[in-house]
Amino acid sequence: RKEVEQDPGPFNVPEGATVAFNCTYSNSASQSFFWYRQDCRKEPKLLMSVYSSGNEDGRFTAQLNRASQYISLLIRDSKLSDSATYLCVVNNNNDMRFGAGTRLTVKP
Amino acid sequence: DGGITQSPKYLFRKEGQNVTLSCEQNLNHDAMYWYRQDPGQGLRLIYYSQIVNDFQKGDIAEGYSVSREKKESFPLTVTSAQKNPTAFYLCASKMVQGTNEKLFFGSGTQLSVL
Repeated sequence: RKEVEQDPGPFNVPEGATVAFNCTYSNSASQSFFWYRQDCRKEPKLLMSVYSSGNEDGRFTAQLNRASQYISLLIRDSKLSDSATYLCVVNNNNDMRFGAGTRLTVKP
Repeated sequence: DGGITQSPKYLFRKEGQNVTLSCEQNLNHDAMYWYRQDPGQGLRLIYYSQIVNDFQKGDIAEGYSVSREKKESFPLTVTSAQKNPTAFYLCASKMVQGTNEKLFFGSGTQLSVL
């Protein structure tokens, strides 16, 4: 079983749609969680950290469920510029593991 | 400018040859990482280092070696034992400030086999 698993996608949605990505992790001792965004052939960039209480940044909402060992990312009112690959990341004592990524394409 | 510098941007390896990818950071970060990315896939962890003279294997360490003699430098050697080395390699370092954590990435090295 992979340490971090994501919805494989791809997701193709119209502008303005709401889209949700899920990610599960196998190590219950993992301490911190993140969503990164990667544009084609570029380095990943931090989108947001994920906290137990859930957190929101504009159109983006991240949730963590430790009991079920999954994290989620919700994008509301999607824009063309949101088209990218979204990667969940799980940290256990500096061992930072990435999911395989979910490709999102937002269409006009 | 502070950041992570990877070199070279493109690298070609002949069969049976060892090659070394450079990664340097001037961010004063303790932890550094090497990831491999194949087309259409996520990042897979090769090795990471939490501190000078320490490193740990990731998921796909076979055929690779690293060293961490200085805090600023974490070179990756792709040995001849790595039979399928063609991929995009990303180096990162990790900032930790209280509860805030963030990976800073280099711009990557594309390795191809001749």
